[in-house]
Amino acid sequence: EVLLVESGGALVQPGGSLRLSCAASGFAFSNYWMNWARQAPGKGLEWVANIYQDGSEKNYLDSVKGRFIISRDNAKNSLDLQMNSLRVEDTAVYYCASTNTLDNWGQGTLVTVSS
Amino acid sequence: QAVLTQPSSLSASPGASASLTCTLRSGINVGTYRIYWYQQKPGSPPQHLLKYKSDSDKQQGSGVPSRFSGSKDASANAGILLISGLQSEDEADYYCMIWHSSAAVFGGGTKLTVL
Repeated sequence: EVLLVESGGALVQPGGSLRLSCAASGFAFSNYWMNWARQAPGKGLEWVANIYQDGSEKNYLDSVKGRFIISRDNAKNSLDLQMNSLRVEDTAVYYCASTNTLDNWGQGTLVTVSS
Repeated sequence: QAVLTQPSSLSASPGASASLTCTLRSGINVGTYRIYWYQQKPGSPPQHLLKYKSDSDKQQGSGVPSRFSGSKDASANAGILLISGLQSEDEADYYCMIWHSSAAVFGGGTKLTVL
């Protein structure tokens, strides 16, 4: 059974930083693209970033380019999202999702950016 | 203009069929894209339903009933999610997605009410 478990969400002030993690199990993690997506309260889904199997290619939503960094550790089956210069509009539940199909999602972790 | 446009809401009766549309922005040809569909119920992460590019290039999500199916309307430049034999449990938000310029783009979502 595929399992994705996010952690690291918290309340942070505007301009602050936060690191999210996603622990993956139940599939060959190193063989697949991995994604972060988010959902602001009461709003729709928004893709944030993805990373290739070996980490050699990364893509980002325009509004997070230069502020967020996606990374992975295939030895630990883990996916991270380093979020810097956080803005109020980054407030959302952040999900990790597997493969280009985004066929499995974690339960999400809440990030609140507020003073 | 958004890349993907979905009607904000749709209502249908139990046992009937519901056709959810996902219209691509002018200049983006639906024929060249694989359309992904997701279902999200309140308080839960999204669930991948299916992906559809053509009748010869489509795939149902794991465990997804066959009453969920995909198609396209080329004249409307739209992807379609058809749900037949509606059940009360189908009441949810539905999102379409495409990969466009190395980024995943979601539609705004359709809230389906079964009443």
